[in-house]
Order: sequence, then structure tokens, then C-alpha cells
Amino acid sequence: DTEVTQTPKHLVMGMTNKKSLKCEQHMGHRAMYWYKQKAKKPPELMFVYSYEKLSINESVPSRFSPECPNSSLLNLHLHALQPEDSALYLCASSQDFSGQGIHGYTFGSGTRLTVV
Amino acid sequence: ELKVEQNPLFLSMQEGKNYTIYCNYSTTSDRLYWYRQDPGKSLESLFVLLSNGAVKQEGRLMASLDTKARLSTLHITAAVHDLSATYFCAHGGNDMRFGAGTRLTVKP
Repeated sequence: DTEVTQTPKHLVMGMTNKKSLKCEQHMGHRAMYWYKQKAKKPPELMFVYSYEKLSINESVPSRFSPECPNSSLLNLHLHALQPEDSALYLCASSQDFSGQGIHGYTFGSGTRLTVV
Repeated sequence: ELKVEQNPLFLSMQEGKNYTIYCNYSTTSDRLYWYRQDPGKSLESLFVLLSNGAVKQEGRLMASLDTKARLSTLHITAAVHDLSATYFCAHGGNDMRFGAGTRLTVKP
């Protein structure tokens, strides 16, 4: 298995809703990442997990709450989002914390989130 | 602070022509990535460059890395329409950051 699987692919949520994005990989990668991508912009780093521990939080608002239950799973819990949070949320994984390996980072297909 | 500068931001090419996309980065970490993104899609890894002088080629695309100049290039040879996409360079180890992207359009 050489994929990163993200669910759901599309999500529409109200500003008072609570929802979660899920990311799963079975490549034995020990680092996992959340990126946010607005339309026609580059992906922006949000969170980095290394060996299931949060190692980087890029000053992301607390309405985004990451969780790494085990080495294969990464969740992003969403609460009280704003319309400007609408974006493509990408999950990625890499062999280790430094992104080593000839393949670098593997990205999932993303969750397209719309906040109404 | 890690910065990645990519140019040009927009590139319109004729089929059959050659062109180069440039990527400058600011830190000493010498790990450089190139990705392709089609509209509405995720990122496809093209190249991972890990050392000075690294050169990798896949089809009509060739990427190189000059760590002394902190510069990577993505060279397109004899462009075809199928290469139309947005190309990102990215740099870093545990905190990979992306350049602004080059939106490439190849016209007949």
C-alpha cells in the first residue's frame, strides 16, 4: 500500500458544527502532516506529527485540533469554523521526521471543505 | 525563516518549446522537492533532490539542484499539452514549505 487515504473527500459544514477529517496510511511512515490550500495558492503547513507526537503547530487557530491516535492515523477535528476556513485540506506522510527517503512526502487526495 | 521563491508564476508556452522554472530557497537544508498539481487535484511528487549537483529526469522534465546557489531548476523540453498544470517547488526537512507555484499552460 503506497497511498495516503483521506476521508471525506468533500465536506460542507455550518459554523456551529463539529466535524473531523481523517487521514490514514499503511506505509510505516512515522511523520504525518496537515496542510491547508486555498484556491490558486500553495499549500500551507499547519501541523506536523512525528512518532505520534505533535512537533510543529504553525500558530493554527484552536478551532482546528489535530490528533494522532496511532502511527497510521491522523485526524483533524474542526469546531466553530469560519467561512474563510473553506479550503482543500491535505494530509501527507513521510518515512521519518526529516522527510527522508527517495519519495519524500506522500500526499492524500485531500478533503475539500466548505464552511457555510 | 524558511522562504521559497519560485518564478515565473505564470508561463504560457508553445508546444515543442523549452523553458525553465526557477526555485530559490533561503536555508541551508538541502532537500528540495518538485510537485505537480492539476486543477482540483492533490499533489503528485515529481522529483526529490537531496544533494548538491543532483539531477533527475522523467520524460520531458529535468530537475537539478545547486546547493551553493540555493537554487533548483525544473527544465521542460519540447513541451506538450499534457504538461499543462501548476508546478510547485518545496523545501525543508520536517517543515516542508512550498513556493508560490508556476501555472504552466502549453498551447498548440
